[in-house]
Amino acid sequence: GAGVSQTPSNKVTEKGKYVELRCDPISGHTALYWYRQSLGQGPEFLIYFQGTGAADDSGLPNDRFFAVRPEGSVSTLKIQRTERGDSAVYLCASSNDPGQITGELFFGEGSRLTVL
Amino acid sequence: DQQVKQNSPSLSVQEGRISILNCDYTNSMFDYFLWYKKYPAEGPTFLISISSIKDKNEDGRFTVFLNKSAKHLSLHIVPSQPGDSAVYFCAASGTYKYIFGTGTRLKVLA
Repeated sequence: GAGVSQTPSNKVTEKGKYVELRCDPISGHTALYWYRQSLGQGPEFLIYFQGTGAADDSGLPNDRFFAVRPEGSVSTLKIQRTERGDSAVYLCASSNDPGQITGELFFGEGSRLTVL
Repeated sequence: DQQVKQNSPSLSVQEGRISILNCDYTNSMFDYFLWYKKYPAEGPTFLISISSIKDKNEDGRFTVFLNKSAKHLSLHIVPSQPGDSAVYFCAASGTYKYIFGTGTRLKVLA
């Protein structure tokens, strides 16, 4: 499709398990973002990729969270030893001109993670 | 430290009337502002944006106003329609990083 695609749309896991969330951005968009949205909150920045490299990972809450984008397109957010507090909707967004007037973010529908 | 604030968690407006959603920011380095609309179980969708060199941008029923001295922006929707009922987020950017507010839930009553 033409939009940002995220899989899975829903993931239920047990505390302590490992989880991977995938994002397929809009073709040609070099900038890719991961955000996390908890109930009643706005999207919270996690990490920003420009091409293959993580240009800013300052929003990752701790070292259990890691993200990759090996070929500059698809990205995977990896969460180790999940905790109940990790439960949220994880949003991926892409942009072709970040920070500029034409650089709006295009979001996927999100992956809802529930840690029991 | 919340750099982008939406102090009204909810707003109800009669169909056909004007909806005004407000947003305040603290970082004077922000120079690009956006509004997003979000329906349940969907990702946020871009609505309208404004650069700091402007004080108004209009797109159909949607107008965004920016007051740089007050570090305040607002989104006006007129006339409001039931389909506008959603959560609205403002976002601000100085470079590549987009900071979002906590959202305002708009309900347009038929």
